[in-house]
Amino acid sequence: EIVLTQSPGTLSLSPGERATLSCRASQSVSGSYLAWYQQKPGQAPRLLIYGASRRATGIPDRFSGSGSGPDFTLTISRLEPEDFAVYYCQQYGNSPKYTFGQGTKLEIK
Amino acid sequence: QVRLQESGPGLVKPSQTLSLTCSVSGGSINSGSYYWSWIRQPAGKGLEWIGRIYTSGTTNYNPSFKSRVSISLDTSKKQFSLKLSSVTAADTAVYYCARDRLYCTDGECYTNFDFWGQGTLVTVSS
Repeated sequence: EIVLTQSPGTLSLSPGERATLSCRASQSVSGSYLAWYQQKPGQAPRLLIYGASRRATGIPDRFSGSGSGPDFTLTISRLEPEDFAVYYCQQYGNSPKYTFGQGTKLEIK
Repeated sequence: QVRLQESGPGLVKPSQTLSLTCSVSGGSINSGSYYWSWIRQPAGKGLEWIGRIYTSGTTNYNPSFKSRVSISLDTSKKQFSLKLSSVTAADTAVYYCARDRLYCTDGECYTNFDFWGQGTLVTVSS
């Protein structure tokens, strides 16, 4: 099983700052199969990035993804108040087919 | 716009079977581009993929659930369902259904969960 480790666990920043979130896989992961999701309290996750760097439909361009197996990064260039949430990376592999990281909580400083 | 909606009992007794249904609207459940997945999230914790079904009926399950899980598809009703047997308190979670999009372009293939239901809380308790 591929384990995804996200860091930091919690990131405290102010609106307008730049956020950098990391996702490291225990084995090499194809970038094609690495995605990022945003989840706000009481809501379902929302797809932000797929294929490591492709923005999903309707996602603002302040969100960007980069990296290649095993290290991937989600960057939010200038934080807006609505960006404070929990972020998960997710990969598609063999067994189980999908695993998620444990999440990074982005909180207002 | 594709919408997914989970339904089912919010309370299940230990050792019984958890049964949930996901209704799909605004799009085809028959499209060969999609799998249909179940994902769960215990309170305050991360996401765990349970399993998925393809339009052909082919299923893939997370080995963590061993033989307890079964996912089925009813294309005439545009629904897919989850059954999880022998539940314990550890199965208490918000359960999400999600569309699992698979597509290939320019020699690369991609997969992601592009649409989700709002989630339904299932509590296992006597």
